[in-house]
Amino acid sequence: AQKVTQAQTEISVVEKEDVTLDCVYETRDTTYYLFWYKQPPSGELVFLIRRNSFDEQNEISGRYSWNFQKSTSSFNFTITASQVVDSAVYFCALSYGSSNTGKLIFGQGTTLQVKP
Amino acid sequence: DARVTQTPRHKVTEMGQEVTMRCQPILGHNTVFWYRQTMMQGLELLAYFRNRAPLDDSGMPKDRFSAEMPDATLATLKIQPSEPRDSAVYFCASGRDSGGYNEQFFGPGTRLTVL
Repeated sequence: AQKVTQAQTEISVVEKEDVTLDCVYETRDTTYYLFWYKQPPSGELVFLIRRNSFDEQNEISGRYSWNFQKSTSSFNFTITASQVVDSAVYFCALSYGSSNTGKLIFGQGTTLQVKP
Repeated sequence: DARVTQTPRHKVTEMGQEVTMRCQPILGHNTVFWYRQTMMQGLELLAYFRNRAPLDDSGMPKDRFSAEMPDATLATLKIQPSEPRDSAVYFCASGRDSGGYNEQFFGPGTRLTVL
């Protein structure tokens, strides 16, 4: 079965703190893609990053970084020096299968609150 | 800046009424997805189309929901009759399936309230 687990329901930090959002996935497929989306209070879903199952290189984009570890089936997301504008719900998602139809299975989301 | 558009953005209706939500995918995209977001279930896939053909609607209650693509520029999701438990945000997403990776771009969603 395919599944994405975000064990942290809510996280609250003070501005400038670093914060890591955890994501654990389950799949039997060898080809799959992992994603992070941000959903700010306005409600839209904003794409942040995609990784494929063959590329375990960590990625950094500004204050954002991602740690993909197949050995632990995890794809964690770290925000460095958090800002109030980072307050949102963050979703980890999995797309699987060699045909890669693009169907996404989402985790339950982690609500991040960054206080000034 | 190409975007997925959805109408209406908000809809309040009474139980038993028909609801139709519309989505205009990004021009050139050949896959369309409908997702529903609720507090209890989170984000779940309802249906998806490739080249206007429905490929998977296993997540959709068949007795009251229907999804169609009358043409390449329009996807519809219809609920008849609507029930209070259908209250949710419905997202449409589109992508280009060219045999490789298929990134999805999400619309702003339709917030449905069924009284």
